[in-house]
Amino acid sequence: EAAVTQSPRSKVAVTGGKVTLSCHQTNNHDYMYWYRQDTGHGLRLIHYSYVADSTEKGDIPDGYKASRPSQENFSLILELASLSQTAVYFCASTLSGQGYEQYFGPGTRLTVL
Amino acid sequence: GEQVEQLPSILRVQEGSSASINCTYENSASNYFPWYKQEPGENPKLIIDIRSNMERKQTQGLIVLLDKKAKRFSLHITDTQPGDSAMYFCAATTDYAQGLTFGLGTRVSVFP
Repeated sequence: EAAVTQSPRSKVAVTGGKVTLSCHQTNNHDYMYWYRQDTGHGLRLIHYSYVADSTEKGDIPDGYKASRPSQENFSLILELASLSQTAVYFCASTLSGQGYEQYFGPGTRLTVL
Repeated sequence: GEQVEQLPSILRVQEGSSASINCTYENSASNYFPWYKQEPGENPKLIIDIRSNMERKQTQGLIVLLDKKAKRFSLHITDTQPGDSAMYFCAATTDYAQGLTFGLGTRVSVFP
């Protein structure tokens, strides 16, 4: 079973503040993703990464930056948090060439006040 | 890009009956269609998927059908049980490496 962990699991931030969400996977997966889920809705792709030190924009990248300092770690950065960024954030990973399944982390519940 | 529409948004079924969820997609180049189940407060978990070279796939009480001409795919849960109550999401992608586009979800409730 793939192991993807996220920290923190819950965070309250103030409008205009900086927020960093972290994701760590221990399965040597090369592809990693950040999604957000708004209450009662599906997931939307924010950023993804194929390899360390490289990130790509997903469907809704505005207001977010991503960082992939190593194969195991992938961070999502909100430089100026806004109320509209209140959501649950999921990190996921998959291994290229080994089927398509994405393994999701437990999620981080972010509340911006 | 891709857009995925999922219906219905809410589905109530009697225990032992079947439940069906339908999704449509826009991009004819989409080639991978997974289904995820999400329990309250949990992360999404893959339950079944189908690739564009197949029309039907079945596993453990789940059937997924793909109609590429109509750009439609569906999930059928046979013999529903209380444990099947959850949110279900369909997704599609033209390149799995670039992430998934999800539908808005279907809340399935199984009642006695």
